[in-house]
Amino acid sequence: LAKTTQPISMDSYEGQEVNITCSHNNIATNDYITWYQQFPSQGPRFIIQGYKTKVTNEVASLFIPADRKSSTLSLPRVSLSDTAVYYCLVGSPSSSNTGKLIFGQGTTLQVKP
Amino acid sequence: NAGVTQTPKFQVLKTGQSMTLQCAQDMNHNSMYWYRQDPGMGLRLIYYSASEGTTDKGEVPNGYNVSRLNKREFSLRLESAAPSQTSVYFCASSDLAGVGTDTQYFGPGTRLTVL
Repeated sequence: LAKTTQPISMDSYEGQEVNITCSHNNIATNDYITWYQQFPSQGPRFIIQGYKTKVTNEVASLFIPADRKSSTLSLPRVSLSDTAVYYCLVGSPSSSNTGKLIFGQGTTLQVKP
Repeated sequence: NAGVTQTPKFQVLKTGQSMTLQCAQDMNHNSMYWYRQDPGMGLRLIYYSASEGTTDKGEVPNGYNVSRLNKREFSLRLESAAPSQTSVYFCASSDLAGVGTDTQYFGPGTRLTVL
């Protein structure tokens, strides 16, 4: 399974764009990249998922370069409520990987006023 | 829809006691999972059930047992609690057994302290 590496923590200010980069050098051909968000005292929540190039939804954008060895989660104009832990995960739809979702330590984003 | 529900929300046990954490989902999902999260750490998979009638070990299964009672319910049992099992326990469910493309929906967690 591809291991991911992301910064332990990041600080930002309200209104700024935040980019969190995740490294996954051993990503396999069938692997997708998924990001989850976790607020204190809550379970993680799905944010976005992609395979290559760029994916955008109402919450975030995900940029994946051609070699797919890294990905960047982009949060536009963050607010205090975006303070959370963000997890980057890599996995494939193969049944052999069922359930083996590895969350890692994630990136703690602190948004300041 | 309530999504994924967990009971209890909080629990304090003494070493050696047993208890069962309950989880239920109303999204008609096939797969269900149990994770634990220790302070400052990510989630670690304890057990999962890819479909009704099947269960399998995750990353940290020792000291736990699970039961997939039916499609909706997946329980986690601690037969003899130890202080090392003090943690926050999350249950999750997903529609398919495919990890990479399937969104997992998490419950609110159970905060367990073992004295």
